[in-house]
Amino acid sequence: ILNVEQSPQSLHVQEGDSTNFTCSFPSSNFYALHWYRWETAKSPEALFVMTLNGDEKKKGRISATLNTKEGYSYLYIKGSQPEDSATYLCAFTDSNYQLIWGAGTKLIIKP
Amino acid sequence: DAGVTQSPTHLIKTRGQHVTLRCSPISGHKSVSWYQQVLGQGPQFIFQYYEKEERGRGNFPDRFSARQFPNYSSELNVNALLLGDSALYLCASSLAGDRGVKTQYFGPGTRLLVL
Repeated sequence: ILNVEQSPQSLHVQEGDSTNFTCSFPSSNFYALHWYRWETAKSPEALFVMTLNGDEKKKGRISATLNTKEGYSYLYIKGSQPEDSATYLCAFTDSNYQLIWGAGTKLIIKP
Repeated sequence: DAGVTQSPTHLIKTRGQHVTLRCSPISGHKSVSWYQQVLGQGPQFIFQYYEKEERGRGNFPDRFSARQFPNYSSELNVNALLLGDSALYLCASSLAGDRGVKTQYFGPGTRLLVL
């Protein structure tokens, strides 16, 4: 059974501070790693898809890195804002090309 | 452009009943995937359809079935509902038979409550 683990489960961050969290996935048979942001009462929104070891992607104040050899990805948020409050989910594409999801990191930005 | 739409938004059923959930993908998207999300967990993959054919199936019982229509919309059917089927059901569409490396675009979900 493939497991995708995210840590921490939840995180409180002061507005203006930077933060990061982790997604761990199986390092064998890697195809892709996805990051999504899911705000309450909205649909999950795609942030990044990464496929190559060493990939770094950036979207505004949010960036992500990928290490496929050791099976982890970091998501970084610089200068957190209240609108960053959401659950951040990662998903690993398995050898059947299906997405296996982590349980998410719930980020709460304190004003 | 309209995003992925799902209907209904909420649904209450009793044990033993069946339910049909509907999804319309983004225009031009030919692949539709269904997920079940229980509070506190990540989405669990149920089905993927591409060009009206089942491309993948998750670890769900045969009570769960789905199909895709010529216009690429999709239905998820669940028979003999159990209390444990209560969840948010998400539909996602993507451009092609992407083999899991393309972005999936999600609808707002259907929240099903089984009493």
